[in-house]
Amino acid sequence: NAGVTQTPKFQVLKTGQSMTLQCAQDMNHEYMSWYRQDPGMGLRLIHYSVGAGITDQGEVPNGYNVSRSTTEDFPLRLLSAAPSQTSVYFCASSLGQGVPDTQYFGPGTRLTVL
Amino acid sequence: GQQVMQIPQYQHVQEGEDFTTYCNSSTTLSNIQWYKQRPGGHPVFLIQLVKSGEVKKQKRLTFQFGEAKKNSSLHITATQTTDVGTYFCAGPVNSGYALNFGKGTSLLVTP
Repeated sequence: NAGVTQTPKFQVLKTGQSMTLQCAQDMNHEYMSWYRQDPGMGLRLIHYSVGAGITDQGEVPNGYNVSRSTTEDFPLRLLSAAPSQTSVYFCASSLGQGVPDTQYFGPGTRLTVL
Repeated sequence: GQQVMQIPQYQHVQEGEDFTTYCNSSTTLSNIQWYKQRPGGHPVFLIQLVKSGEVKKQKRLTFQFGEAKKNSSLHITATQTTDVGTYFCAGPVNSGYALNFGKGTSLLVTP
């Protein structure tokens, strides 16, 4: 299993540009989430999904869209990039049952918005 | 909403010294998870605590969940340079669909 994969690893955008951060998992996990990590701020939840076709907002959803058309994929869309969205983005997935319900994280995408 | 707070934000120790990080939640948690993130890496699951007063050990790491299930701690005995990284606690969001992370404690260990 590849686990959780994210592409691209690095990205530089100009203000106003749009892009999609890709996330995929091959563990047949129901739950998937997007977090952003900024220095001194820990990991903040952007959006999450409890299954195909079901998404919900987290703590910092503004400026981001998500969809979950398949169990495997959970892309994150930046509609009009802003410098405040410069961050490291992590995708995570979990089975959604059992103890422990471990969250598996992808390697991250480092995004810079100029 | 639920807030998870961690202290200290940073800790610098000499190799061999002990280290403790504390986590406090504004609400009662059904469970708490701990993750470690090495510099430049991604968070990696360490453990999940579920029961009130639960204590679990992983080699030199001891994890505790408070009796009221609102606080937790991670204690590392005799730190090693391999312990360097940021340690996060996290509580479940909306029945555990995702996690609400503390801001983490960054541990630096010098030989």
